[in-house]
Amino acid sequence: GQNIDQPTEMTATEGAIVQINCTYQTSGFNGLFWYQQHAGEAPTFLSYNVLDGLEEKGRFSSFLSRSKGYSYLLLKELQMKDSASYLCAAMDSNYQLIWGAGTKLIIKP
Amino acid sequence: GAVVSQHPSWVICKSGTSVKIECRSLDFQATTMFWYRQFPKQSLMLMATSNEGSKATYEQGVEKDKFLINHASLTLSTLTVTSAHPEDSSFYICSASPGHRGGQPQHFGDGTRLSIL
Repeated sequence: GQNIDQPTEMTATEGAIVQINCTYQTSGFNGLFWYQQHAGEAPTFLSYNVLDGLEEKGRFSSFLSRSKGYSYLLLKELQMKDSASYLCAAMDSNYQLIWGAGTKLIIKP
Repeated sequence: GAVVSQHPSWVICKSGTSVKIECRSLDFQATTMFWYRQFPKQSLMLMATSNEGSKATYEQGVEKDKFLINHASLTLSTLTVTSAHPEDSSFYICSASPGHRGGQPQHFGDGTRLSIL
């Protein structure tokens, strides 16, 4: 079956760095997406990886290892506004997104 | 670019009422749109994939006669919750992609919070 695993909740300190991991099992693979979702709001797109390696976009970076079925989202210089849920989603061979349950990130001052 | 508008953002109505939610892609054409439901503190659940000019594809367990989807044009899809009951209260979110192949992210509308009394 198809499955996405990510931690339920993480806590980090303002100004620090946090890494949110995601492992996936899908029928075929057409890329890995990360979304941010603030409470009560719709998700917003953060990043997309389809090749192995690290993609950097400002304070946020995303890494992919296709052979390991593994990705992480790295958030640097954490700000209070980064408190949100982070959703990992893998695209399968039918171009359908398989969603993880999301990781709730709590930032403490 | 890639803006998706969803309307209304909030609906409160009596049990038995039918509610229509609109999803529009404002600056791109979307052959495919997606409808999700999300209960508090739970993950996104895909309800159906809306295809322009053809019938929607519903996920297992989603009643197609209760959740009517119409994709009338390349920029508009509607979800109608028919004879809504309190258990249908949820956060409904649509999304669309400029292309549904790899590399194209889904862009989400702001969601509709539906409360059935």
